Amino acid sequence: GAGVSQSPRYKVAKRGQDVALRCDPISGHVSLFWYQQALGQGPEFLTYFQNEAQLDKSGLPSDRFFAERPEGSVSTLKIQRTQQEDSAVYLCASSLGEWASGRTDTQYFGPGTRLTVL
Amino acid sequence: QKEVEQDPGPLSVPEGAIVSLNCTYSNSAFQYFMWYRQYSRKGPELLMYTYSSGNKEDGRFTAQVDKSSKYISLFIRDSQPSDSATYLCAMSPVGGNEKLTFGTGTRLTIIP
Repeated sequence: GAGVSQSPRYKVAKRGQDVALRCDPISGHVSLFWYQQALGQGPEFLTYFQNEAQLDKSGLPSDRFFAERPEGSVSTLKIQRTQQEDSAVYLCASSLGEWASGRTDTQYFGPGTRLTVL
Repeated sequence: QKEVEQDPGPLSVPEGAIVSLNCTYSNSAFQYFMWYRQYSRKGPELLMYTYSSGNKEDGRFTAQVDKSSKYISLFIRDSQPSDSATYLCAMSPVGGNEKLTFGTGTRLTIIP
């Protein structure tokens, strides 16, 4: 079946512009995560959804970052008034969300959106 | 200091060699330990996960966790050029349904 897809794959924005990044998780996956990966670094957690509920947004670097998942499937990460330090790859991951079984779950990652802010 | 430390490399080894990749961590709450492989311009893909201390083997790959030393390792036997990628360690207290904390990644090149 299809994996996690993200669009656009590449985005160039001028400083101060707003951008919206889309994530289509694997069908039926309850959990959805956003990560930011700067050049030469590992992914860093931004926010987490369980269905449509945003349960953790502790990693969002500022109030310019906003994420939503209104129907519990597709998610959008919005960055307002982009700054040069926002340049990074934004990764989306989804997982089944199995807690009761007691086994660990796997996060499946999309290819990412590479954002460049000029 | 970061919660997870990983030598960024780069690491170059000849084909067929044994590769050892390592991470250290400081958060005692971490119980699940994962290794992801990331090819250039792709998303990370899960290679292996281990719960708590111990070893786990999958084909040419072996993951080791030593919680007493807060040290994890990934060994690759009979390395192949297709193993050339960035290897990321990742950890969480409760597994894949919670946020993962990643190392910086080690860039590995296998020389034919």
